[in-house]
Formats: sequence, C-alpha cells, structure tokens
Amino acid sequence: AQSVTQPDIHITVSEGASLELRCNYSYGATPYLFWYVQSPGQGLQLLLKYFSGDTLVQGIKGFEAEFKRSQSSFNLRKPSVHWSDAAEYFCAVGASNTDKLIFGTGTRLQVFP
Amino acid sequence: SQTIHQWPATLVQPVGSPLSLECTVEGTSNPNLYWYRQAAGRGLQLLFYSVGIGQISSEVPQNLSASRPQDRQFILSSKKLLLSDSGFYLCAWSVLGQTFYGYTFGSGTRLTVV
Repeated sequence: AQSVTQPDIHITVSEGASLELRCNYSYGATPYLFWYVQSPGQGLQLLLKYFSGDTLVQGIKGFEAEFKRSQSSFNLRKPSVHWSDAAEYFCAVGASNTDKLIFGTGTRLQVFP
Repeated sequence: SQTIHQWPATLVQPVGSPLSLECTVEGTSNPNLYWYRQAAGRGLQLLFYSVGIGQISSEVPQNLSASRPQDRQFILSSKKLLLSDSGFYLCAWSVLGQTFYGYTFGSGTRLTVV
C-alpha cells in the first residue's frame, strides 16, 4: 500500500535562509508525487508535481523538488525563504492504478524576520 | 478554465442539527470528486470520493454521508451533527483517469459544532 511520511511536524527558519522539507514515500512502482501548500484558513494549492522525466522539478513561488528513487524521497527546497512562505506544506503520492492521492500529515513552516 | 466552488465558507451549528455542504465544479466534465476533513493540527482525512453520478465510496465509517446528484455537484451531509464533526472540510476534483495532474482544491468550509 502507498504511504507518505513527513518527518518534520514544525520547522522554523529565518527569512532569507534556505529551506528543505522532507518527504518519504512507500510505493512499489514509480509514483506520482506532489507538494501542496496551505495558507491558514485556505484550501490547498499545488506547488509542483512529478510523474515522469527529469527528477528535478520546478514549481511555483520559487520552489523545487527532487525525486530520488533510491531514497524513496521527494524533498521540497527553496534557496531563500520569504515571510510569505509561512504556511503548511503537504506531500502526496498517487499511482497509476488509483484515482486517490495519499497525503502526508504536513509540515508547518514558520518564518522569522 | 476550471473552477471549484465550496460553500458556505464558515458554519456554526448546534449538536444534533443537520448539515449540508455543497461543492460544484465548472469547466470540466465527469471529474473525480473528493471530500476531505482536516481536524485542528492534523492532516487530511479522505472521507468520500466519487467517480461518477451516484457513485460514492466511503473511506471511513462516520456520521456523515455524501451524494453526487449531478456530474459536477458533490454534497456532504449529516442528519445529526456531533461535536467531533467540527473541522475544516475541503472538496477537491481531479481529471478522471489522470490523477498524475493532481487535485484542485476548493477554499474549504470551517465547521464548528457547538
């Protein structure tokens, strides 16, 4: 069965610092992988996705993520965090034989000035 | 372009009262539709999903039900709300058979049961 683990519940960074949010998945074949961002009281917005091709994917708002099959990981990165990046981030995994995505429990990002 | 609408945005209901949350999608046909709940400080819990009119799959046993009376309409209901039904409810859609594009979420409904 598919599963997603986001080991960091809460991360705090200073504005301008680099960021890496971790995501590990469990799935036997090549998964579909996603990162979503949720601002307080809002729905989820898709940041980026991977389902084939180049393992380094670029998303909106300056985010990128790298699919590493050997590590079953899809970590989200940003070289310089802005105060407006403070939000909750969700990693999700899907597969070709299902229309359901499995979401991680989320990582809350706090940004200090 | 495709859009998804959810309403109401916030709702305060007494225990034992009924519930109806509505979600509609525009600009696409035959979408997959999903209802998620997000309890305070917790992740996303899939409640129901639908691949077509009248086709509802329930993921967890609970006090809620879902219906899809029209292709692009998805309704979440309860006959009698419990305190534990409080949370943030999110509707989402995806292209049938093309989940690799991901989901598009609505803006959510904050339900407080008092």
